[in-house]
Formats: sequence, structure tokens, C-alpha cells
Amino acid sequence: EVQLVQSGAEVKKPGESLKISCQESGDNSPTFWIGWVRQMPGKGLEWLGIIYPGDSTTRYSPSFQGQVTISADESIRTVYLQWGSLKASDTGVYYCARRPDVGVDVWGQGTTVTVSS
Amino acid sequence: DIQMTQSPSSLSAAVGDRVIITCRASQGISDYLAWFQQKPGKAPKSLIYAASRLQSGVPSKFSGSGSGTDFTLTITSLQPEDFATYYCQQYNSYPYTFGQGTNLEI
Repeated sequence: EVQLVQSGAEVKKPGESLKISCQESGDNSPTFWIGWVRQMPGKGLEWLGIIYPGDSTTRYSPSFQGQVTISADESIRTVYLQWGSLKASDTGVYYCARRPDVGVDVWGQGTTVTVSS
Repeated sequence: DIQMTQSPSSLSAAVGDRVIITCRASQGISDYLAWFQQKPGKAPKSLIYAASRLQSGVPSKFSGSGSGTDFTLTITSLQPEDFATYYCQQYNSYPYTFGQGTNLEI
């Protein structure tokens, strides 16, 4: 069974940097697109961007372009989401999701990011 | 960006009921539509892709239909574990976009 295992919860201060991860485990399936979704407290789901780990082709949603960086290391089947300077408004739960181009077949368990002074 | 509008935003139902949630796209998306279920404090769960195809392991009480701009998710014989928030999402063109969610409650 394929799983997406995300890194643990983070508590950071405004202005700090952060990189969270999402590792695919399970069968040796082909490389698929993986995306990141944000859920702010009490709110709905929003796509941040997607990446194809095979060649690191990346697409960002306009609202998040320049705000985050998505990267991947195909050799360890891991995708990353990175912030250079966190803001309080980055607080939320971040999910990775496999195969967003065909409707998502597997979700990560979520990583809670709290940004507070 | 393609806007996805779900209705209703919240829905009250009883165990055993049949409910229908609708999702409308601001422009045609063929059948590139998915439905997800999310329970409080949990990751979303994928239910349907390609507007009407069930993800592996999803019971047949869930069904989807539609094409173009108008879509529906139907849930029959509601059980306590079905009370959750449901989201539609288009993947016809990037940026992919979700509906605002429908909170299904008792």
C-alpha cells in the first residue's frame, strides 16, 4: 500500500525559515505528480503548487508564487515545501497529495505549521 | 482561474437519508472533477475522480455525475460516519481549485 508520510508539526516565529517534507513509501510505483494543499484554521482547502519529481517541473498557484518553494529528491521519493520567511498567516495544516492531475489517489497525514511570536 | 461553487454550504440530514451536493464550475471542465470527504482533524479522503469513478475502496453509496459545468455528489443511506465536510475540485486546468466545501451534519 502506497503511503505519503509527512514530517512532524512545527512551531516557528515570524521571519524564520522552514522546510517540511513528504515521502512516498510502499510499492515501487512510477513517478507521479505530487501537490501541496493548505488548510488554514477553520477554512477550506487550497492548492499551493504541484511538482513532477522526475524532472522537478513545478507549477505554483498564483496566490503562492514567490511565497513558497516546492522541490523534490526523486532518489528518496521525497517532496519538500519551503518558506524563506514565515508569516503568521502561514499558520495552518499542509497536506501533500499524489496524482493531483487525475483527482488525487493518496493523501499525506498533514503537517501542522504554527507561526507565532 | 476556474471558480468552483458548491451548494449548499451546509446541509442537515438524518441517518438513512439520501443527500445530493452540487458543484458548479465557472467554465467547462469536461469530467475533470474530483470529490473528497474530510472529517475534523483528519486528512481529506478521495472519493471520486473523473466526475463519476469511485476511488478504490470507496463504497457504492457514493456516486457522482455531471460533465461540463454542473456536477453532483449523491450519498445514499447516510450513516453516522458519513457526516463530514465534502469538497469538489477541478483538475481540468492549472491552478487546480476546490469548492468552498459542504458541511454535512446531523
